[in-house]
Amino acid sequence: EAGVVQSPRYKIIEKKQPVAFWCNPISGHNTLYWYRQNLGQGPELLIRYENEEAVDDSQLPKDRFSAERLKGVDSTLKIQPAELGDSAVYLCASSRRGLNSPLHFGNGTRLTVT
Amino acid sequence: AQSVSQHNHHVILSEAASLELGCNYSYGGTVNLFWYVQYPGQHLQLLLKYFSGDPLVKGIKGFEAEFIKSKFSFNLRKPSVQWSDTAEYFCAVNENTDKLIFGTGTRLQVFP
Repeated sequence: EAGVVQSPRYKIIEKKQPVAFWCNPISGHNTLYWYRQNLGQGPELLIRYENEEAVDDSQLPKDRFSAERLKGVDSTLKIQPAELGDSAVYLCASSRRGLNSPLHFGNGTRLTVT
Repeated sequence: AQSVSQHNHHVILSEAASLELGCNYSYGGTVNLFWYVQYPGQHLQLLLKYFSGDPLVKGIKGFEAEFIKSKFSFNLRKPSVQWSDTAEYFCAVNENTDKLIFGTGTRLQVFP
C-alpha cells in the first residue's frame, strides 16, 4: 500500500509569514494525526481527526495554528503567523480506527523559521 | 499526566554487541506499548507493540521487548546488533485512547 504522503519536505520562511503543510493519509485510514517533533525530542501530538472531525486538538496552539480535513481524507495544517519557535519537523500519521491500530507516519515537513 | 522516559539518549555499540534500551512510563492503568524506529532519512515505522498476553513480544529484525508491569517498563533488546540498526528509537504509550505519547528517543550508533 502507498504510504502517508506529506508535502513539502522542507520549508524555509521568515517569521510572521504564513505556512501550510499538506498530508494525504493511507487509503482507508479514518484516523489522521498531526505531530510536531522538535530537535532532540519525541513527536508531540497537535491534533487528531476521526474522519473529518477533530476529536483531540487540546495541544494545538489555536491562536496561530489551524487544521482542516474537510472531506475526511487529505488534511492541511497552517501556521499564521509563524514564529521562530515553530521551527520543527511536522509529522502526519494515519491509522485505522481502533486502539490497537499502529500509526503509519509520513516523512514529515522540516520547517525552518528565520 | 502520562509521560514516557527514555534514559539513554545516545548509545554507541560495536557490531555483535547486545542492546538494551530503557523505557519507563508513568501511567498505572491499562496501557498499550510500542517501539518505533526511524532510520536515517526515513519515516518513523513500527518496530513492535504490546497490547496484552505474553509480556515478551518479538518484532521485526530480531528485536524484542519485555513488558514488566511492576516496573512500568518496556525495554527494547536485541542480542546482536548490526550496523544497519543505526537509527533513532522511540518508545510510545497510549492509555486506552488513540493519543500516543512518545519518549524523547534514543539515538543508536553501531560501528562495524
